[in-house]
Amino acid sequence: SQQGEEDPQALSIQEGENATMNCSYKTSINNLQWYRQNSGRGLVHLILIRSNEREKHSGRLRVTLDTSKKSSSLLITASRAADTASYFCATDGWGGGADGLTFGKGTHLIIQP
Amino acid sequence: DAGITQSPRHKVTETGTPVTLRCHQTENHRYMYWYRQDPGHGLRLIHYSYGVKDTDKGEVSDGYSVSRSKTEDFLLTLESATSSQTSVYFCATGHAGQPQHFGDGTRLSIL
Repeated sequence: SQQGEEDPQALSIQEGENATMNCSYKTSINNLQWYRQNSGRGLVHLILIRSNEREKHSGRLRVTLDTSKKSSSLLITASRAADTASYFCATDGWGGGADGLTFGKGTHLIIQP
Repeated sequence: DAGITQSPRHKVTETGTPVTLRCHQTENHRYMYWYRQDPGHGLRLIHYSYGVKDTDKGEVSDGYSVSRSKTEDFLLTLESATSSQTSVYFCATGHAGQPQHFGDGTRLSIL
């Protein structure tokens, strides 16, 4: 069964605006990761946040994690056309990911020029 | 990811035929994974391997088998393909607790 659920399923914004995507999950986790997928390509890792962390930054990316609400958000600031892609959250549970990740269904982000 | 190669990249076959997909890594990662991606479902784990000859089932393993005879190669076999196995298949590698690295996928169509 799906662990994570992203919201919204699709998001279209103007270049330069900020984009926020949310993820909810069901069970306890060890860490939560965000991935990007460009059309026709594999997933690319963006950021990993551990269960004892509340916020993490990487360049224009900001991820928050609220384990009490079992939710995470990904903020992309100053969006660019190249950010157009699908974004997935993934959780690994207490197995540390050794037994695979559980992915949400993704948010499809479109950046309008 | 340049260190993970999936072959073939595209395949069309008929129901009932056997199909083998190959994943080759140059990363020397211990763990390897096969996922399938379908519209409305995201990625779902089929099988994974935690070492040579060590494999286990994932969420959607029925109809699939895997083998890992070398660290660098992980094979996914559909013994008798069905139309419900039409999908995009992704291989990933990594270490426990670390990000996974993905290949560019195999698009499989079963007619």
